[in-house]
Amino acid sequence: TQLLEQSPQFLSIQEGENLTVYCNSSSVFSSLQWYRQEPGEGPVLLVTVVTGGEVKKLKRLTFQFGDARKDSSLHITAAQPGDTGLYLCAGRWGLNNDMRFGAGTRLTVKP
Amino acid sequence: GAGVSQSPSNKVTEKGKDVELRCDPISGHTALYWYRQSLGQGLEFLIYFQGNSAPDKSGLPSDRFSAERTGGSVSTLTIQRTQQEDSAVYLCASSSDRTYGYTFGSGTRLTVV
Repeated sequence: TQLLEQSPQFLSIQEGENLTVYCNSSSVFSSLQWYRQEPGEGPVLLVTVVTGGEVKKLKRLTFQFGDARKDSSLHITAAQPGDTGLYLCAGRWGLNNDMRFGAGTRLTVKP
Repeated sequence: GAGVSQSPSNKVTEKGKDVELRCDPISGHTALYWYRQSLGQGLEFLIYFQGNSAPDKSGLPSDRFSAERTGGSVSTLTIQRTQQEDSAVYLCASSSDRTYGYTFGSGTRLTVV
């Protein structure tokens, strides 16, 4: 059972376009993380958010945590082919020690 | 080592055989996790080790799956009597603290034929 829902599942855009992907849960997260995974590799951590309403920026990537801590978004400005990959959100609830991952958004940026 | 090391990187086995997958975490990381990723899917939690505490085995899909972590370092995931539905990439991650992000290995791609 997926506790996290990510959308869209697939996204194909042209270089230079902007995009937003989403991560939602019916329960309040204690913390949430975004990862990016390339073929043949493990996921790589991009950001951790813990405070409702928090916004973090990483170059062209902007991460937002919802005020109620049940949702998050990742916005990429002026996407580049190097942004291609599987974007995964992962969350913890309450005092759970392990994280649960969403199914991911598979992004393709065409040159 | 500098990162999480998993071996083998690829494993092809016959249905019904047992397999062992190894994970060598980052030195000093007390938490170690195993996940499974099927083709085109997200990560499915399998098992979690934290220090000397009893592991959280709640994600193991059947009693054919087991894992050990010796000396608080290297971990081995064992799958007995493999089935075709066990085919997936098995990812290991370690963390210094539950509040930090995970560092993943590159995974073991298991194919059961």
